[in-house]
Amino acid sequence: QVQLQESGPGLVKPSQTLSLTCRVSGSSISTGSYYWSWIRQFPGKGLEWIGYIHHNGNTFYNPSLKSRITVSIDTSQNQFSLNLESVTAADTAVYYCARRAGVTKGSAFDIWGQGTVVTVSS
Amino acid sequence: ENVLTQSPGSLSLSPGERVTLSCRASQSVTNSQLTWYQQKPGQAPRLLIYAASRRATGIPDRFSGSGSGTDFTLTISRLEPEDSAVYYCQQYGTSQYGTSVTFGGGTKVEIK
Repeated sequence: QVQLQESGPGLVKPSQTLSLTCRVSGSSISTGSYYWSWIRQFPGKGLEWIGYIHHNGNTFYNPSLKSRITVSIDTSQNQFSLNLESVTAADTAVYYCARRAGVTKGSAFDIWGQGTVVTVSS
Repeated sequence: ENVLTQSPGSLSLSPGERVTLSCRASQSVTNSQLTWYQQKPGQAPRLLIYAASRRATGIPDRFSGSGSGTDFTLTISRLEPEDSAVYYCQQYGTSQYGTSVTFGGGTKVEIK
């Protein structure tokens, strides 16, 4: 079955760039009408969509984060990545990668990684 | 931004009881692109219901979703101990401002 696994540093200093990668296994990232997504969950438990990318390279970002984020895809490695610039303590969260299904499946996030904790602190 | 408000914030019920959770949107949700997730402590959210009323693969039929426009509900017909979790709704939409994906604040369900 399809599985997603996040990787990246658990601690990032303020003003630096947070970089995470999500490796996809069990299926090619280049097939289907899926959007490869990043979502975060704050310590107070609220969930926030960050952005996603299609295997054709089209990206869609949360307008509130758009100026600071880049989502990219590497189909040869079957993985996608997130860069979040100029981080502050407010970016401390659990970061999830997830697969977003097509409109016929309600545009739902149907498969999630286990999540990775990122703390922004000096 | 389409703000989703979930109610109640939390509730405590006994096994076998029926529970209805509410998700109200500040704007109409396009084409019923409304999804429900279940999250247990230390785990990622799990897809329960998509397109407002369609159960995801492997989800027991005691879970059901309904609604359209701005008002949606998730019903658990007979609570089981393993249903203790936080339930989130989420919507997808598009506008001249771009893509909109937002989550509700969640409802915590505790089984006595």
